[in-house]
Amino acid sequence: DTEVTQTPKHLVMGMTNKKSLKCEQHMGHRAMYWYKQKAKKPPELMFVYSYEKLSINESVPSRFSPECPNSSLLNLHLHALQPEDSALYLCASSQDRTPGTQYFGPGTRLLVL
Amino acid sequence: DAKTTQPPSMDCAEGRAANLPCNHSTISGNEYVYWYRQIHSQGPQYIIHGLKNNETNEMASLIITEDRKSSTLILPHATLRDTAVYYCIYAGGTSYGKLTFGQGTILTVHP
Repeated sequence: DTEVTQTPKHLVMGMTNKKSLKCEQHMGHRAMYWYKQKAKKPPELMFVYSYEKLSINESVPSRFSPECPNSSLLNLHLHALQPEDSALYLCASSQDRTPGTQYFGPGTRLLVL
Repeated sequence: DAKTTQPPSMDCAEGRAANLPCNHSTISGNEYVYWYRQIHSQGPQYIIHGLKNNETNEMASLIITEDRKSSTLILPHATLRDTAVYYCIYAGGTSYGKLTFGQGTILTVHP
């Protein structure tokens, strides 16, 4: 199984809502990542988890709150987002010894109204 | 941030080889060159990576110059399904796992 799954596929939320994005992998990878991709732009790294601990936060606003409950699951909690946060949110995972070789999920397309 | 330079777009005829260049003149000795692609509305897909030597897998070949300042990704027999944005990235050392995507090359394969 070389698949990273993400739910939901699409999400529409208001600026006062709280929602969560979910990412799951069963490849035994111990590193997991969140990226943000705006339309017609390349993906930008947001967070990196290694062995369920946050190792990199790329100065992401606190309205984005990541969580790694176990080695297979990664969440991104969203609260008080702005319309400019509308984007495709991508999750990826990798083996710890080959972190540059990342497997990406299909993404969650988020629209903030 | 790790910076690479790629042509914004390229065309290729179906069945022909597609050769995608990338300049990475500021690469360090312990940094690998990675290639990913992103087909429209999908997540990026890992293609291949290398350090010094040329590499080949079932998807592509990677040719790295001796000075490691540039590389070429070769898709030997391009198909319509290879139409995508191709990203060249370098990473390693303390930034290992921190992939910085550039603008990439939009490859369009024509029938």
